[in-house]
Amino acid sequence: DGGITQSPKYLFRKEGQNVTLSCEQNLNHDAMYWYRQDPGQGLRLIYYSQIVNDFQKGDIAEGYSVSREKKESFPLTVTSAQKNPTAFYLCASSIADRGDNEQFFGPGTRLTVL
Amino acid sequence: AQTVTQSQPEMSVQEAETVTLSCTYDTSESDYYLFWYKQPPSRQMILVIRQEAYKQQNATENRFSVNFQKAAKSFSLKISDSQLGDAAMYFCAYRTFYNTDKLIFGTGTRLQVFP
Repeated sequence: DGGITQSPKYLFRKEGQNVTLSCEQNLNHDAMYWYRQDPGQGLRLIYYSQIVNDFQKGDIAEGYSVSREKKESFPLTVTSAQKNPTAFYLCASSIADRGDNEQFFGPGTRLTVL
Repeated sequence: AQTVTQSQPEMSVQEAETVTLSCTYDTSESDYYLFWYKQPPSRQMILVIRQEAYKQQNATENRFSVNFQKAAKSFSLKISDSQLGDAAMYFCAYRTFYNTDKLIFGTGTRLQVFP
């Protein structure tokens, strides 16, 4: 079945540690996105990539980093510089270059900083 | 900058009845896209319906329809014959026509469906 997978579903991190969230898609989509969801704030864009080896900052990129070495994969690293990392993280993908294209979302990763 | 506002944090409806969720947005652009996404308790976002701003006809998908008022910058979602499975968070989202990098989301409306 085609879709987006995110792992792990739940992740716990100690303060000061970096942690990487996985996102993989087999939809052959060019564009991939990372969103952060906090209670009462909707989704906010962290990073996006429209092609392999290229990515752009979104609205809240500080404290995060990404890579796009393969079309299928777009991992997100939450660094120790992120002041309030506890949140729900959603990865999405779409066919690039058209605004009406649906973004398909993964099931998300809940990150908790202890 | 574009903004999306959902002024109803929570709504409730009885099974088989109709409910309307409100969404307003602010933009200076004339061409854009609007979306309603559903987030059930599983938390996976699912596209419900989309509307192109250049189309005057309101989009419809089975029991879901929108009332798109471009001049008023309003984009409400009507759910007819509500079912228990419709219970979820609903997010309104905006995307520009030319800059396809992101969706701009509202804060969501939690819909409860009572039997």
